[in-house]
Amino acid sequence: EVQLLESGGGLVQPGGSLRLSCAVSGFTFTNYAMSWVRQAPGKGLEWVSAISGSGAATYYTDSLKGRFTISRDNSKNTLYLQMNSLRAEDTAVYYCVKERQSTGYFDYWGQGTLVTVSS
Amino acid sequence: EIVLTQSPGTLSLSPGERATLSCRASQSVRSRYLAWYWQKPGQAPRLLIYGASSRATGIPDRFSGSGSGTDFTLTISRLEPEDFAVYYCQQYSSSPLTFGGGTKVEIK
Repeated sequence: EVQLLESGGGLVQPGGSLRLSCAVSGFTFTNYAMSWVRQAPGKGLEWVSAISGSGAATYYTDSLKGRFTISRDNSKNTLYLQMNSLRAEDTAVYYCVKERQSTGYFDYWGQGTLVTVSS
Repeated sequence: EIVLTQSPGTLSLSPGERATLSCRASQSVRSRYLAWYWQKPGQAPRLLIYGASSRATGIPDRFSGSGSGTDFTLTISRLEPEDFAVYYCQQYSSSPLTFGGGTKVEIK
């Protein structure tokens, strides 16, 4: 059974940093690209970042302007999202998602972790 | 960036009725690289349709997707109580990956 379990969310002050983790199981992690998708309270879905199976290639939505960094540790079956210089508009539930066969759509989603940026 | 516009924003229907949801792209989505997801309150989204018309594993055949180019449709032939949710389309034709704003299907 595929499982994606996010952790690391919480309350952080504007300008602060946070690192999200996503522990996966149930599939061969290194074979699949992964992404982070976020959802602001009461809003729609926004793709944030993606990483190839090997970790060699990374992609970001333009609005992040280098504040976020995606990475993965294939030996630990874990995906990460380092978030720096956080702003109020980064407040959202962050979902870890598995990409199906390097296609660009997502066949499994984690339950999400809430990040709240507020003073 | 491909902008996806979903309509209507809200669809009020009764169980047993047919639902037709639209997803329009600002530019052509190549190779029908369009997916649909559904999301129930408090839950993560789940994959419904990929490749514009292929149902994901375990999705009942009352759900069907169609379209190409810039116009795509998700049809639910007969609404079941568990189908009332928010539906999102997503294109994976080009980066950045983008989602539509969603259509809420609510009980009338």
